[in-house]
Amino acid sequence: DGGITQSPKYLFRKEGQNVTLSCEQNLNHDAMYWYRQDPGQGLRLIYYSQIVNDFQKGDIAEGYSVSREKKESFPLTVTSAQKNPTAFYLCASSIEDWSSGANVLTFGAGSRLTVL
Amino acid sequence: AQSVTQLGSHVSVSEGALVLLRCNYSSSVPPYLFWYVQYPNQGLQLLLKYTSAATLVKGINGFEAEFKKSETSFHLTKPSAHMSDAAEYFCAVSRMDSSYKLIFGSGTRLLVRP
Repeated sequence: DGGITQSPKYLFRKEGQNVTLSCEQNLNHDAMYWYRQDPGQGLRLIYYSQIVNDFQKGDIAEGYSVSREKKESFPLTVTSAQKNPTAFYLCASSIEDWSSGANVLTFGAGSRLTVL
Repeated sequence: AQSVTQLGSHVSVSEGALVLLRCNYSSSVPPYLFWYVQYPNQGLQLLLKYTSAATLVKGINGFEAEFKKSETSFHLTKPSAHMSDAAEYFCAVSRMDSSYKLIFGSGTRLLVRP
C-alpha cells in the first residue's frame, strides 16, 4: 500500500541536541511538507518542497532545517536554535489534482518529540 | 493573507444527533477548502474538499459541507452522529493561484455522548 512513513513515532531528546525526523513516501508525489502541531493551535507550516533539490520556508521555519535530495524523502532537523521544540510533527505529501489544480495533502502518522 | 476560523474548540452532541462544525475563511483570491479529521496520536485524513466545482461537497463517513461565498463559510455537517465520529476536525484553506500553502484552523474536538 502507498503511504507516508514517519519515524520515529516517539522521540526524547535533551535540550541543546539536534534531532532529525524521517519522512518517506511511496506515493510518487512531487511535493512534500512538514507541519508542527501544538494543542489548540492547529497545524503550522514549517517547510515545503515542490520538487527535488528545492524547498521553501513556511510560517515557522526558524530553528528547523530540511533537505530534499530524493523525491521520496524529506527529513526535518530540529536544531538547538528552536526555542520550544516539544511538539507533534506531521509530514505530508501532495500531488496536483488534474481537474482543479488543487494540491490535496496526504499525511503521515506523525512523530512526537519531547525535549527534556 | 488567508486565514481560517473554526468556531468552538469543543462541540458535544448526542449519538444520532446532527453534527455541525463551523468554519469561516478569509481569502483575497478564490480558495480551495478542505476538512480533515484526526484521531488521537494519528495523522490527518481528508474528509472532503471544495475545488470550485459543486458548492455542496460530499465526503467520507457521511459528512458533507457547503461552500457559501457570500458568508465566507464552509461548515461541516452530518445528519446523525456516531460514536466513531469522536475526533478532532480541521478546516483548511489554500489559494487557487498558489495551492501549496495550506492554512489550517485551530481545530474543533467533537465529543459524542451515548
